[in-house]
Amino acid sequence: GQNIDQPTEMTATEGAIVQINCTYQTSGFNGLFWYQQHAGEAPTFLSYNVLDGLEEKGRFSSFLSRSKGYSYLLLKELQMKDSASYLCAVRTAGNKLTFGGGTRVLVKP
Amino acid sequence: KAGVTQTPRYLIKTRGQQVTLSCSPISGHRSVSWYQQTPGQGLQFLFEYFSETQRNKGNFPGRFSGRQFSNSRSEMNVSTLELGDSALYLCASSLFQMNTEAFFGQGTRLTVV
Repeated sequence: GQNIDQPTEMTATEGAIVQINCTYQTSGFNGLFWYQQHAGEAPTFLSYNVLDGLEEKGRFSSFLSRSKGYSYLLLKELQMKDSASYLCAVRTAGNKLTFGGGTRVLVKP
Repeated sequence: KAGVTQTPRYLIKTRGQQVTLSCSPISGHRSVSWYQQTPGQGLQFLFEYFSETQRNKGNFPGRFSGRQFSNSRSEMNVSTLELGDSALYLCASSLFQMNTEAFFGQGTRLTVV
């Protein structure tokens, strides 16, 4: 079966750094995605990792270790608008994405 | 470059009816996947189309079906609607099936009453 785990909720202060972990056990792997989703809106693409290592995009970075079945999303210099759910998803076959339950991040002033 | 376009944005249907949702992928993208999102189940994969052929299918009943046209636009159909089909239906567009990024449309919010 497919299993993707991420924390349910995290709270952080504006200007701080938060790291959202994602562990996965899937049959098939062709990349790991991170999406941001604000309440009532569609997921917005943040990052895609298919090789091990760190990918940096502005305030957001994503890391992947395929041997450990592990990824994290790092959000730096948190802003109030970063309050959202963050979804970890693994491409398991073709273009099929299997999602974790999402991590709700609350940024406090 | 236009993003992924889904129509309609909102729909209200009654039980037993059927519904068709549309997804136009990003220009040049050939792969379209459909997902159902509910508060209880999260995002669940429905099916994937590439080059007008269904390539993968999730664990949904046969009432859920789809197709893809030669211009890569895709439709999904749900027949004999049930209250539990109320959800946000999202489609994701990719250039190819693998090794490329996937982008979501704004979704169609379906309410079954």
